[in-house]
Amino acid sequence: EVQLVESGGGLVQPGRSLRLSCTASGFTFGDYAMSWVRQAPGKGLEWVGFIRSKAYGGTTEYAASVKGRFTISRDDSKSIAYLQMNSLKTEDTAVYYCTRDDIVVVVAAHYYMDVWGKGTTVTVSS
Amino acid sequence: DIVMTQTPLSLSVTPGQPASISCKSSQSLLHSDGKTYLYWYLQKPGQSPQLLIYEVSNRFSGVPDRFSGSGSGTDFTLKISRVEAEDVGVYYCMQSIQLPPYTFGQGTKLEIK
Repeated sequence: EVQLVESGGGLVQPGRSLRLSCTASGFTFGDYAMSWVRQAPGKGLEWVGFIRSKAYGGTTEYAASVKGRFTISRDDSKSIAYLQMNSLKTEDTAVYYCTRDDIVVVVAAHYYMDVWGKGTTVTVSS
Repeated sequence: DIVMTQTPLSLSVTPGQPASISCKSSQSLLHSDGKTYLYWYLQKPGQSPQLLIYEVSNRFSGVPDRFSGSGSGTDFTLKISRVEAEDVGVYYCMQSIQLPPYTFGQGTKLEIK
């Protein structure tokens, strides 16, 4: 069974850091890109960032709202994706979902999220 | 960034009746490769989102055939032919023709009358 399990959420003060983990199972993790998507309380979905598979350079992309503060990385040997969150703000309070991103390649590569984890809650408050 | 606009933001449907959700994008989602990068997700109450439809009209694995997607360019529609109680939740459209960022619609909440 394909599964994604997020961990590492919790209560953190503004300006501090937190690292989330996403542990994958049931598929060849290294073959896929991975994204992080968040959902603030009572709000819609906001894409946070993305890391390509090593085959496509392992490079990252970020939403403007987190660029320079958040970093996504991956450890293919452990099937884990990470979201390092620094300089946290109260507006970063949300449920953070990890997603597996399937790829569509015709001319260029395009991606879409086909599997989602259950999420981990991050609360930024003093 | 591409803006995705859904209408309505909420709808209440009697079981067995059809439902329709519109999604409009601020730019065409038709790529020069011939594909249109528009997706639909459903977030059931208390759950994480799940993929329903990919590339406008293709049902993801396990999605009932009462769900269908259509549209082109900037205008898209998700239809449920006969709503069932298990279809309640919030429906989101999403584009991935332009990354970054992926962008989602605001969501449409479906309730049962």
